[in-house]
Amino acid sequence: GAVVSQHPSWVICKSGTSVKIECRSLDFQATTMFWYRQFPKQSLMLMATSNEGSKATYEQGVEKDKFLINHASLTLSTLTVTSAHPEDSSFYICSARDRSGQGGSPLHFGNGTRLTVT
Amino acid sequence: KNQVEQSPQSLIILEGKNCTLQCNYTVSPFSNLRWYKQDTGRGPVSLTIMTFSENTKSNGRYTATLDADTKQSSLHITASQLSDSASYICVVRQTGANNLFFGTGTRLTVIP
Repeated sequence: GAVVSQHPSWVICKSGTSVKIECRSLDFQATTMFWYRQFPKQSLMLMATSNEGSKATYEQGVEKDKFLINHASLTLSTLTVTSAHPEDSSFYICSARDRSGQGGSPLHFGNGTRLTVT
Repeated sequence: KNQVEQSPQSLIILEGKNCTLQCNYTVSPFSNLRWYKQDTGRGPVSLTIMTFSENTKSNGRYTATLDADTKQSSLHITASQLSDSASYICVVRQTGANNLFFGTGTRLTVIP
């Protein structure tokens, strides 16, 4: 089945540094990828929609200058958390939809990245 | 307002028992509804998809139902196993857009 690889699976960084998270679709092309944030015992919160070759669309309340998204190819999207602070500590998950699929095709999720900012 | 509500918030059952999780939504216009299973520290995995015309769909020990009139869905798990311990998330898609609405999930714990 379709696989989405997310890397790294966990990262610890110091406050003020930047962290890049990669999301790759391994066996399909994804024109659209989604980035989510999940706090403990809560559901996923959509942060932004990443479209290949164009600017990402951010959800209300999400700072685009803090969460930089790049979708340079049909199989790769990256999320960079700039100048990270402890409150950015969370579980970040990406998902991708097969470009050949219709509305009924499922989102394929990565396994998430646990970010801890000290 | 488009919303997806799930109940119960958490559930503990004995191994081998059955359980049913509920999902109520107000998303309109409705396209489809998916149930996902999310293991701790993992990304969600799709279990079933229900479209407007479908009432019941099974995937192994998982059976999903949909009542589009009352805007309710359920996920029934039969003969639960320890590996069923996870969060189960109901996701409703709006027609004509990429808008997805996530429920807050039900955390299921199966104990021996």
